[in-house]
Amino acid sequence: AQKITQTQPGMFVQEKEAVTLDCTYDTSDPSYGLFWYKQPSSGEMIFLIYQGSYDQQNATEGRYSLNFQKARKSANLVISASQLGDSAMYFCAYRSFGNEKLTFGTGTRLTIIP
Amino acid sequence: DTGVSQDPRHKITKRGQNVTFRCDPISEHNRLYWYRQTLGQGPEFLTYFQNEAQLEKSRLLSDRFSAERPKGSFSTLEIQRTEQGDSAMYLCASSFAGQNYGYTFGSGTRLTVV
Repeated sequence: AQKITQTQPGMFVQEKEAVTLDCTYDTSDPSYGLFWYKQPSSGEMIFLIYQGSYDQQNATEGRYSLNFQKARKSANLVISASQLGDSAMYFCAYRSFGNEKLTFGTGTRLTIIP
Repeated sequence: DTGVSQDPRHKITKRGQNVTFRCDPISEHNRLYWYRQTLGQGPEFLTYFQNEAQLEKSRLLSDRFSAERPKGSFSTLEIQRTEQGDSAMYLCASSFAGQNYGYTFGSGTRLTVV
């Protein structure tokens, strides 16, 4: 079974600074996708960014980018110029192609300090 | 379309009672997923539907749990004879078959069994 590891239970970052949230995964699947979700206190899981295992370039979506290192099996989320509204739980998730199940990590609680 | 809707947002029930949750997915999405999230954890997959067919069920879905999607539109998740261990956030998500990026989640139903 795939395992997703997020080693940072909590992080505090000054507003406007960049922040990196770590995610490593363990798999023997040949094709897969990696996802990051944001969960504010309201509870909704908000999709942020996706990286396919065969994508040649790292994914970017506005202030979010994914530092994908396939050989190291890591998929870290980078948030540039952090804002107060970025304070939330962040989850890394994995899905093998051909399988509909998302496997989530335990999350990182990010707090942006004004 | 306003996204994935879940009802109710909160439910408090006595142990042993039955509860039913509803999920209305994004209208053009043909896949619907149920996840459960306990405190301090990432969401865990329960089951998913393609149209009205339930295609996969997790071992987490005991005999007390049943999910339906009778006309391929909204879905219900019923828990019979609730136990305190059923207390969790129940999240619904939807997607279009073949899309490789993130599913759209609802805001969840928080169940408390007392």
